[in-house]
Amino acid sequence: KQEVTQIPAALSVPEGENLVLNCSFTDSAIYNLQWFRQDPGKGLTSLLLIQSSQREQTSGRLNASLDKSSGRSTLYIAASQPGDSATYLCAVSKREAQKLVFGQGTRLTINP
Amino acid sequence: DGGITQSPKYLFRKEGQNVTLSCEQNLNHDAMYWYRQDPGQGLRLIYYSQIVNDFQKGDIAEGYSVSREKKESFPLTVTSAQKNPTAFYLCASRKGGTNLIMNTEAFFGQGTRLTVV
Repeated sequence: KQEVTQIPAALSVPEGENLVLNCSFTDSAIYNLQWFRQDPGKGLTSLLLIQSSQREQTSGRLNASLDKSSGRSTLYIAASQPGDSATYLCAVSKREAQKLVFGQGTRLTINP
Repeated sequence: DGGITQSPKYLFRKEGQNVTLSCEQNLNHDAMYWYRQDPGQGLRLIYYSQIVNDFQKGDIAEGYSVSREKKESFPLTVTSAQKNPTAFYLCASRKGGTNLIMNTEAFFGQGTRLTVV
């Protein structure tokens, strides 16, 4: 059974810092990995999708990497801003049945 | 604008009552999903559908039912058999389909918060 773990569960940093969020998964036979952002009481907003054949994807200040063999992904946020405060979730697509399996998320707080 | 619309945003259910949560998408996506989110437990898959008139149980399907009569709609009914229905419910879709090309991005609605009163 595929399990996804995100560490740390919560992170608080001052504005302007660069930071890294971690995601690990137990079964390397994935199709892709997706990073999402969730604001309190809201739905999920897709940030980045990394195909299984890719090593990284970039969007603005965000960079996500994928190492399938070690079962790890990282989300790098450059020059953090208070508006980046949210919960960040990663999810992997399993080989069968198009399922998305989620980690429990990292709650990020950027302090002005 | 293309997207996924969930309604209502808030829903209150009395004990023993069935309620239906709506999910509509105009993205022309084949696959649709229902997830439940509880504090400290992440998102858990309830049901999913890859094509019209077909759906499969997820990890926590007991006490829920779905239908997929139209490509754009995937309503979720929370039945009286669901003993702890208070949660945040999220609907998602992606292009998917019955082929095995999974490299498509998933999109989510804004959620429905269900509370038992």
